[in-house]
Amino acid sequence: DAMVIQNPRYQVTQFGKPVTLSCSQTLNHNVMYWYQQKSSQAPKLLFHYYDKDFNNEADTPDNFQSRRPNTSFCFLDIRSPGLGDAAMYLCATSTAGLAGANEQFFGPGTRLTVL
Amino acid sequence: GQNIDQPTEMTATEGAIVQINCTYQTSGFNGLFWYQQHAGEAPTFLSYNVLDGLEEKGRFSSFLSRSKGYSYLLLKELQMKDSASYLCAVLDSNYQLIWGAGTKLIIKP
Repeated sequence: DAMVIQNPRYQVTQFGKPVTLSCSQTLNHNVMYWYQQKSSQAPKLLFHYYDKDFNNEADTPDNFQSRRPNTSFCFLDIRSPGLGDAAMYLCATSTAGLAGANEQFFGPGTRLTVL
Repeated sequence: GQNIDQPTEMTATEGAIVQINCTYQTSGFNGLFWYQQHAGEAPTFLSYNVLDGLEEKGRFSSFLSRSKGYSYLLLKELQMKDSASYLCAVLDSNYQLIWGAGTKLIIKP
């Protein structure tokens, strides 16, 4: 089945220690998104890629960076995690364009704990 | 600014009907989504409305009024597994999803 896969599902890191979260998709969608979601809050968009075009949200901290080496994979790098970065990180994909529903398909998420 | 409002929490009884409302103010409109999210899991797609009216899909229905900036999700014959958060999200003029904070639905036996 076509899907969005995130690894790991649970990640524990130490304060200030760099961490990388990964996302892969078999849907061949041209758009990939990274969201941060804290408890009882709306998902907050961090970045999205339209093909190779990188789009950074204005309020995404510099501590967060992303890479998309090819259509299938996307990575979220947190250079120096702080306690406030503990959250669920969601990867999503869509076939965005100027028409269509643009439904986003989500991976299962990675829950990040910062000690 | 862009804003999506929905109630924080609702409680309903198993077997009953519940309506979750969503009002929005966004820069442009290219459709409204409802997603279901169980605790600790990713959101899953429920419905998409871009024209006014009611869309029915099994036990779930979604309604849209663009002139009022209003939508609701109607859940019938509630089951315990329907206990989840329900997120309203609007696709704005830049085709970006603007998310509400979600409505936590608690189902009681």
